[in-house]
Amino acid sequence: QVQLQESGPGLVTPSQTLSLTCTVSGDSVSSGHYYWTWIRQPPGKGLEWIGYFHHSGTTYYNPSLKSRVSISADRSKNHFSLNLSSVTPTDTAVYYCARGIPMARRLVFGFYFDYWGQGTLATVSS
Amino acid sequence: EIVLTQSPGTLSLSPGERATLSCRASQSVSGNFLAWYQQKPGQAPRLLIYGASSRATGVPDRFSGSGSGTDFTLTISLLEPEDFAVYCCQQYGGSPYTFGQGTKLEIK
Repeated sequence: QVQLQESGPGLVTPSQTLSLTCTVSGDSVSSGHYYWTWIRQPPGKGLEWIGYFHHSGTTYYNPSLKSRVSISADRSKNHFSLNLSSVTPTDTAVYYCARGIPMARRLVFGFYFDYWGQGTLATVSS
Repeated sequence: EIVLTQSPGTLSLSPGERATLSCRASQSVSGNFLAWYQQKPGQAPRLLIYGASSRATGVPDRFSGSGSGTDFTLTISLLEPEDFAVYCCQQYGGSPYTFGQGTKLEIK
């Protein structure tokens, strides 16, 4: 059974860096098949895709956050992490980690999310 | 980026009824790469449908997805009490991947 669990500080000061970790069990972040992803949901709003890490070392970030985001993995601990710098109150959200399953059809490639963590609320406030 | 608009915002139905939820894209979704998720408070989102119409493992067959291009539908044929939740769609045919705002399915 694959499980993902987010962890990190619940409160972050504006202008500081939000750092979260997703610990994976039942699978490996070194697996060649999956895209390890961060997604967030501000209070009362829809989900927003932040970006992903692939075992090849490839990362991709949502252009809306690209200048402030980094995602990396620690294979020895089987977890992957999110760093979001220069946070403001608009970054307050429930942050989810998820496993992306690739799909290809007629030269189109993409991935959807089959396992998610329960989410962790990160509040940006002084 | 592709904007997904879900309707209605809230749907009030009774157990045993049929639910029809809509997800409309601002432009055609390549490959019909459209997924549906169920969200309940305090729980991890649950994958229901991928590729517009394929049911995920373990999802009851009362859930079905259809549509192509810009118009997609999630249908729940006979509502069970545990089906009352928020449902959201996601497109993964073009980057950045985007989600709809969600439809809340509530008990009437």
